[in-house]
Amino acid sequence: GIQVEQSPPDLILQEGANSTLRCNFSDSVNNLQWFHQNPWGQLINLFYIPSGTKQNGRLSATTVATERYSLLYISSSQTTDSGVYFCAVERTGNTPLVFGKGTRLSVIA
Amino acid sequence: DVKVTQSSRYLVKRTGEKVFLECVQDMDHENMFWYRQDPGLGLRLIYFSYDVKMKEKGDIPEGYSVSREKKERFSLILESASTNQTSMYLCASSPGLDGYGYTFGSGTRLTVV
Repeated sequence: GIQVEQSPPDLILQEGANSTLRCNFSDSVNNLQWFHQNPWGQLINLFYIPSGTKQNGRLSATTVATERYSLLYISSSQTTDSGVYFCAVERTGNTPLVFGKGTRLSVIA
Repeated sequence: DVKVTQSSRYLVKRTGEKVFLECVQDMDHENMFWYRQDPGLGLRLIYFSYDVKMKEKGDIPEGYSVSREKKERFSLILESASTNQTSMYLCASSPGLDGYGYTFGSGTRLTVV
């Protein structure tokens, strides 16, 4: 099956710093999503981005489908950005999402 | 907004008990999914369903079954709970259309003692 690798596995930032999270996948995909899991376990959908670039406030994401990777940018990080960020991909239309193991982000004041 | 509701936030059950985890979505989504999340292993797919009364095994279906009698409800059943089923269980739904992603419930943290 398709492999999804996220890096780095852990990241510690000072408040206000910027960061880039990476997601590599092993095959072409029909769907790619970025999620943030908050400390209470809730998974929040950040971006649906099988290709191209999207921005939402301090967060933006870029997927280069031909090179099989996606990047999540967090600018001016805040303590509320802490949690685990997951990348998940769908190999073909209407097959279940396959998740990476996540990047655990800790933002300290 | 789509809402996916999981019936319990925390559950503690005894080994050997039959356990039901309920998930309800309110946006007429075709597809529903059950994942479990364990430290260091990420999210792993247990079962999924693309239609009422339809079910498909995911990557780790052993020890679990599911029921989807109505479109909005997808139940995960642990026939005889074991301690290795202690985990966070996450339900999700999606419309199955391009441009629309998954929405997750808030999770059920199950402890089997």
